[in-house]
Amino acid sequence: EVQLVQSGAEVKKPGESLKISCKCSGYTFIDYWIGWVRQVPGKGLEWMGIIFPGDSTARYSPSFQGQVTISVDKSINTAYLQWSSLKASDTAIYYCARRGSAEYWGQGTLVTVSS
Amino acid sequence: EIVMTQSPATLSVSPGERATLSCRASQSVSTNLAWHQQKPGQAPRLLIYGASTRATGVPARFSGSGSGTEFTLTISSLQSEDFAVYYCQQYNDWYTFGQGTKLEI
Repeated sequence: EVQLVQSGAEVKKPGESLKISCKCSGYTFIDYWIGWVRQVPGKGLEWMGIIFPGDSTARYSPSFQGQVTISVDKSINTAYLQWSSLKASDTAIYYCARRGSAEYWGQGTLVTVSS
Repeated sequence: EIVMTQSPATLSVSPGERATLSCRASQSVSTNLAWHQQKPGQAPRLLIYGASTRATGVPARFSGSGSGTEFTLTISSLQSEDFAVYYCQQYNDWYTFGQGTKLEI
């Protein structure tokens, strides 16, 4: 069974750094792209970027380029989304999803950024 | 960027009735179109990919059609568990979602 299990909710202050995770199981991790999607509470879905675990090639939507970094650790079948300096506007639920068609989704990680 | 426009924003339907949701792309996406369902407090779930192929475990009352720029998701006989928000998503040229259609009782 394919599963994407994300790390737990986070509460951070503006300017802090953060790395959230998406642990994948039930398939060959390096064979499928993993994407990240943002959902501001009460709003729609925004595609942030995507990474191919096989060679760590990452691509970003223009709105998120330079704002976040997507990475993987193949040894533990895990993808990451990280920020070096959070803003209040980063408050949202973040989902990982397998492939560009989002055939499987993680359960989401709520990130709250507040002073 | 390909813009996906869904209509209507909200659709009010009674259980047992048929619901038709529309999605339009600003340029052709061929059949690289997915539909996702999201219930309150839950992650989205893939329903349809390739414009018309049901994902594993999706009931037959859900069907998708269309190609190019015009797409439709039809739910033939609404069940109580179908009331949710539905998003279309293109994956032909990068990835973009529509703004969603809320299906309410």
